Amino acid sequence: GQQLNQSPQSMFIQEGEDVSMNCTSSSIFNTWLWYKQDPGEGPVLLIALYKAGELTSNGRLTAQFGITRKDSFLNISASIPSDVGIYFCAGRNRDDKIIFGKGTRLHILP
Amino acid sequence: KAGVTQTPRYLIKTRGQQVTLSCSPISGHRSVSWYQQTPGQGLQFLFEYFSETQRNKGNFPGRFSGRQFSNSRSEMNVSTLELGDSALYLCASSLGTGGEAFFGQGTRLTVV
Repeated sequence: GQQLNQSPQSMFIQEGEDVSMNCTSSSIFNTWLWYKQDPGEGPVLLIALYKAGELTSNGRLTAQFGITRKDSFLNISASIPSDVGIYFCAGRNRDDKIIFGKGTRLHILP
Repeated sequence: KAGVTQTPRYLIKTRGQQVTLSCSPISGHRSVSWYQQTPGQGLQFLFEYFSETQRNKGNFPGRFSGRQFSNSRSEMNVSTLELGDSALYLCASSLGTGGEAFFGQGTRLTVV
């Protein structure tokens, strides 16, 4: 079946640094979604992308829908301690099914 | 408007028992999907219901079942619980015809 390859699996950064993570697939998606999950809670939707090439920002977060429709990236600028958590990408395919990446665990060093 | 509501938030059950979890989607949303998340694991897709019909199904044993009611509320049932069923169970609702999916806070199931 369709799979999303999300990388990196985890990352350790200094507070104030910028962060970049991405998802790639061999298949095309019609929608890309980015979520953040805090421990013991459900994932919260950060950004939704609907068109190839679309670049969308939400505060310090920026995400792009790849031109080929097979990839997406999420950038976080000037990271702060509350950015710690697991970030998931998800793609909605032509069958309306949502496929999730395995997540990127973000750690911020003091 | 109200978000996705999952009940209960926490549950402790004994091996061999069965359990039913509930999910109330966002008003107007017709699709409800269920996921299992274990420590260190990603989101494992269980099944999706749309307008009371199961539309997609993941690779879980038949002990895991679900249903959706006419008001779009959904329940998930796990029979003959095993220790490995301990997990955070999440449901997500969406319009069902594309677009975003929104998650509830999850039900933390512990099997002892």
